[in-house]
Amino acid sequence: EPEVTQTPSHQVTQMGQEVILRCVPISNHLYFYWYRQILGQKVEFLVSFYNNEISEKSEIFDDQFSVERPDGSNFTLKIRSTKLEDSAMYFCASRRDTGYEQYFGPGTRLTVT
Amino acid sequence: AQSVTQLGSHVSVSEGALVLLRCNYSSSVPPYLFWYVQYPNQGLQLLLKYTSAATLVKGINGFEAEFKKSETSFHLTKPSAHMSDAAEYFCAVRGNTGGFKTIFGAGTRLFVKA
Repeated sequence: EPEVTQTPSHQVTQMGQEVILRCVPISNHLYFYWYRQILGQKVEFLVSFYNNEISEKSEIFDDQFSVERPDGSNFTLKIRSTKLEDSAMYFCASRRDTGYEQYFGPGTRLTVT
Repeated sequence: AQSVTQLGSHVSVSEGALVLLRCNYSSSVPPYLFWYVQYPNQGLQLLLKYTSAATLVKGINGFEAEFKKSETSFHLTKPSAHMSDAAEYFCAVRGNTGGFKTIFGAGTRLFVKA
């Protein structure tokens, strides 16, 4: 069964550094999403992406964040200058054009020191 | 705006007992509702979904949920808990703007006692 994959599974970075989190959505899906989950808290929406542009973003998704689909398979989240409070689990998800549910990847745990 | 509220951040049951995890939703349009499960240090797995067909929805691992419009509820149940059911459970609703994001509740951690 097709799955959403994410790399790396865990990334440690120093405050102020740029990080890129990578995702490979399910191949015939057209909607792509990033969410984050700070330890012990609920899953929060960051951004949705469709037809090569952002379709919706939350207030968390400020100028420090950007997303890109650099080729036909990858979907990336870049954090330009990481802060301690960016430490969280980041989940990528994808959805078919006509589907209701999103399929989530296993997550990337980002630790900012 | 749409939202879901999960009643009880922690629920503890004995193995073999009924599992009941409560979720209430708020939505200005007919909602699409989901339950996801998250095992420790893992991602989110879809348990079941309600998409306006049958009000009683059956999912994986013996779970089911009933959509009750009059009560704005979508509670998750399982007749007999198993130790392997211990996990965090999230109720969620599909947003109706932009890219149709998923809006999650705060989660309920289920403990199963032997």
